[in-house]
Parts: sequence; C-alpha cells; structure tokens
Amino acid sequence: GAGVSQSPRYKVAKRGQDVALRCDPISGHVSLFWYQQALGQGPEFLTYFQNEAQLDKSGLPSDRFFAERPEGSVSTLKIQRTQQEDSAVYLCASSFPTLIRPGNTIYFGEGSWLTVV
Amino acid sequence: GQQLNQSPQSMFIQEGEDVSMNCTSSSIFNTWLWYKQDPGEGPVLLIALYKAGELTSNGRLTAQFGITRKDSFLNISASIPSDVGIYFCAGVREYGNKLVFGAGTILRVKS
Repeated sequence: GAGVSQSPRYKVAKRGQDVALRCDPISGHVSLFWYQQALGQGPEFLTYFQNEAQLDKSGLPSDRFFAERPEGSVSTLKIQRTQQEDSAVYLCASSFPTLIRPGNTIYFGEGSWLTVV
Repeated sequence: GQQLNQSPQSMFIQEGEDVSMNCTSSSIFNTWLWYKQDPGEGPVLLIALYKAGELTSNGRLTAQFGITRKDSFLNISASIPSDVGIYFCAGVREYGNKLVFGAGTILRVKS
C-alpha cells in the first residue's frame, strides 16, 4: 500500500483479555518499529525489527508484550492479559534503509487505539 | 520516559504570528526530526536534520540542528489555522535507529 497500515484502528478490551495489533509496513521497507503513546505524551519506543529479526526489544514494558514479524513484512504486536495501564495508542512505523540518513525517513501509521476497561 | 525536554508545553497564538519551540537533551543525537500529529493520526515528518549546525526550511517552517548536537528548534512563520496540532521533536543517537521523542508542544491558533 501507499502508507503504513494498522488494524484495528480502535480496540476496547476487557481487563485480562489478550489483544493482537497488526501492522502492514510500506512495501519493501526493511525496518519496522512499534511505539506506545500514552495520552498527552510523545511516542515511546517498544521494539525494532530488521526484516524478520527482532534486533531491539528493550522498550517492551513487560513479558506480557510480544511482537513478531515472521516473514519480514507484516508485524503483530500481542499483549496478553491486558491491564488498564496498557491503554494507549500503539504506533507502527517503517523505513527502507536500516539507518536514518539524508533522504531516508521513518513513516508512521495512524495507530491502533487500545482502551482496556 | 522521555529523554528530550521540549518547550513550551503549549502555545495559544494569534493567526499571523510566528511560533518558536525547542528541544534540549543532556545526550548527543546524530539526527533531529520534527513531527506534527493531528488528532487521531500518526506523526507526520515535517523536517529532518542530519548535521550539527544545519538549518533547513520547509515552506513556512525552519528548523536548526544545534551545534552541540544536544538541541534543536523549530520556527513557524505567519501561523495559519491549519498549523494547529501537536509538534514533537525526536532524536536518533549515533548508529541507532530508535527515535526518542519529546513530550510535544500543543499549538492552538486564534483566527
């Protein structure tokens, strides 16, 4: 597609429920990132993939969070046993080269808005 | 938590006025980026800066990469109503890919 596509756009989950958020990056983009954005805050890094390899997962807040990108394109962020503090916008971003340099950039999707009740 | 200090937190200005916001850090960054986020949307890149001292313009927007590599500013000239939104600075450390974001500046414009 033309841009980074995320689904679902909005998700309401009951506390304790598992959720899966999907990201379709721009075709051919090597790098894929997940960010979490709490209300009134800037996005915070969760994890980074280069193709199918998860090179950095230092931002995942707990072992209830798991991300995968098995074929190096679509990625899924899974949150198990959701809690109220997981309520946030989950942003996916992708870029073609692996390093940011002139002419390259990171493109963000519109986000998946998760509310845990 | 955020490692970039972005200010001001919010601005409410008259249409036609110029706007200035900045970001500072105690750490060095190799790349500075400025994004705008509208309600319900993801961040959209406005300007990217790759070299210390670099000054770059994009229409009414001008941004500079501080010479110490620890700060950046964004100026918007002659603001218009569609400039309303949240502006974020973001930095990338050397050899890194991870963006570190500021907390954002909320811009409101009175017409």
